[in-house]
Amino acid sequence: GEDVEQSLFLSVREGDSSVINCTYTDSSSTYLYWYKQEPGAGLQLLTYIFSNMDMKQDQRLTVLLNKKDKHLSLRIADTQTGDSAIYFCAESSRSQGNLIFGKGTKLSVKP
Amino acid sequence: DAGVIQSPRHEVTEMGQEVTLRCKPISGHNSLFWYRQTMMRGLELLIYFNNNVPIDDSGMPEDRFSAKMPNASFSTLKIQPSEPRDSAVYFCASSLGTGETQYFGPGTRLLVL
Repeated sequence: GEDVEQSLFLSVREGDSSVINCTYTDSSSTYLYWYKQEPGAGLQLLTYIFSNMDMKQDQRLTVLLNKKDKHLSLRIADTQTGDSAIYFCAESSRSQGNLIFGKGTKLSVKP
Repeated sequence: DAGVIQSPRHEVTEMGQEVTLRCKPISGHNSLFWYRQTMMRGLELLIYFNNNVPIDDSGMPEDRFSAKMPNASFSTLKIQPSEPRDSAVYFCASSLGTGETQYFGPGTRLLVL
């Protein structure tokens, strides 16, 4: 079945770039998502990329998609302490009708 | 739009009691999802509806869990009887249609003693 894998932890210093990686298995995925969950809060949609795109940039966020390797990454430039959260990668396909989430990567930003 | 609304935000109950969680999806959204999040298992899809009809309930843990969507603007997730292992955060999400972007509510934090 479909599966989404992420590393569980990432620690960076304030001002550095963070790169969170994700691999997925469903080649029919139409959209791939990044969600952010701050402590005690729900999941907030950060950004998404359509499967026929290679890259999407939105201010400090850059999403890269390698469809051949089924690899997705989220780069956060100039990481701030407010970026500390859990980041979830998710894939969707119209045939499934739901999103398949990874277990989330906990990003810790040290001052 | 107010986004997805869930109630209650927090619930503490004793083992054996019935628990009812409520969700109001974003107006105009046709798909509604119930998720459970725990430290051990991460985020799990319990059930989802499309046009008020349950499509996939394979994630519902056991018969103690039931979900309904009587109309397009309201859904409930019921646990009867509740057990301590049901303690988790339960999220509701909605989307325009299946496979579309999902928007999450703030969650209900359930503690079963």
